[in-house]
Amino acid sequence: GEDVEQSLFLSVREGDSSVINCTYTDSSSTYLYWYKQEPGAGLQLLTYIFSNMDMKQDQRLTVLLNKKDKHLSLRIADTQTGDSAIYFCAERDPGTASKLTFGTGTRLQVTL
Amino acid sequence: GAVVSQHPSRVICKSGTSVKIECRSLDFQATTMFWYRQFPKQSLMLMATSNEGSKATYEQGVEKDKFLINHASLTLSTLTVTSAHPEDSSFYICSASGLDSDLYNEQFFGPGTRLTVL
Repeated sequence: GEDVEQSLFLSVREGDSSVINCTYTDSSSTYLYWYKQEPGAGLQLLTYIFSNMDMKQDQRLTVLLNKKDKHLSLRIADTQTGDSAIYFCAERDPGTASKLTFGTGTRLQVTL
Repeated sequence: GAVVSQHPSRVICKSGTSVKIECRSLDFQATTMFWYRQFPKQSLMLMATSNEGSKATYEQGVEKDKFLINHASLTLSTLTVTSAHPEDSSFYICSASGLDSDLYNEQFFGPGTRLTVL
């Protein structure tokens, strides 16, 4: 089975960059995702990366993928208070087209 | 596009009663719907996967008779928590996936339903 792990908590100051890390164990994953969850709400897809890519940039978000180390990271540039939320990485199960395995989640706190 | 709604957003019930939660895809046809459970400060745990018109596939450890899932149409799936008990209190989130999504097999998530069993 897959285990997807994240650090529990990250605190950054407004305007700084945030880096949220994720490690996974299933090297055959095809897609890797980052989701954002605000308090009491569902999940919002932020970005995704194909397993054959090393990096993807989308406005303030940069995703880095190191397949050798099974490490995924999400960098948020110029972090704002509205970025405060829980961030989940997820990997798609290659054996089942849509099934996702979620990481443990990282709570991002942005301070003034 | 790709909006998923859930109803109700919050429900409080007495122990022993049954509660039905609806998940709807509003602007696309959802061939597959997923039901997740999330405990406070924890990750999402997949409970079951349902395909329209067929029986749901439950994850290991999830009681089929306890959590009844129906996916009778391409826009609606329901989760019924039967004879609910306080330990069933949780945040239930559904997601939907369809062949006409912008990203093939992408999952779009509902806003979640907070169930509290007294």
